[in-house]
Amino acid sequence: SQTIHQWPATLVQPVGSPLSLECTVEGTSNPNLYWYRQAAGRGLQLLFYSVGIGQISSEVPQNLSASRPQDRQFILSSKKLLLSDSGFYLCAWSASTVYTFGSGTRLTVV
Amino acid sequence: DQQVKQNSPSLSVQEGRISILNCDYTNSMFDYFLWYKKYPAEGPTFLISISSIKDKNEDGRFTVFLNKSAKHLSLHIVPSQPGDSAVYFCAASVGFGSARQLTFGSGTQLTVLP
Repeated sequence: SQTIHQWPATLVQPVGSPLSLECTVEGTSNPNLYWYRQAAGRGLQLLFYSVGIGQISSEVPQNLSASRPQDRQFILSSKKLLLSDSGFYLCAWSASTVYTFGSGTRLTVV
Repeated sequence: DQQVKQNSPSLSVQEGRISILNCDYTNSMFDYFLWYKKYPAEGPTFLISISSIKDKNEDGRFTVFLNKSAKHLSLHIVPSQPGDSAVYFCAASVGFGSARQLTFGSGTQLTVLP
């Protein structure tokens, strides 16, 4: 069966520091991978998606970037965090119509 | 431009009664709709879906209704249980095969009172 792992679960980072969140999927090949963010009291906003290694599409221009160095690995990064980057970050994968989400990372930028 | 809207940010229902969560969309190209349930500090979990060629899909206590002419879908939970208390997101997609992307609504917090 397929599983998705996302870490860390919580993270507190100072403004201006770098960020790296990792997501891996097991039990499937060539999944579509996604990064979403849920800001406090708001819905799910698509940040990046990838249909293959090295293929990244950005939905919202911002302080973040994504990379897919391996088929089942998706990384969300920032060189310098802003206060507005705080939120709940979710990784997801899909093969067709249903997305499966990871458990999320609560990022607090202080 | 919000293509998927959940106009009720919260809903409270008594245990055992029906919960009805609503969702409206604007893009007539959407052809697949899903509901997700989310507990605090967890990722959303898939609940139920419906294709645009259907107007109803049922799975146990959960039923989703789709009204394409009104661009409206709803999730019915009968009977409601305290464990159903969570945020419910509706989502819609268009595309072919692996090119699909989901657009989510802003969510409705359901509270089932014992």
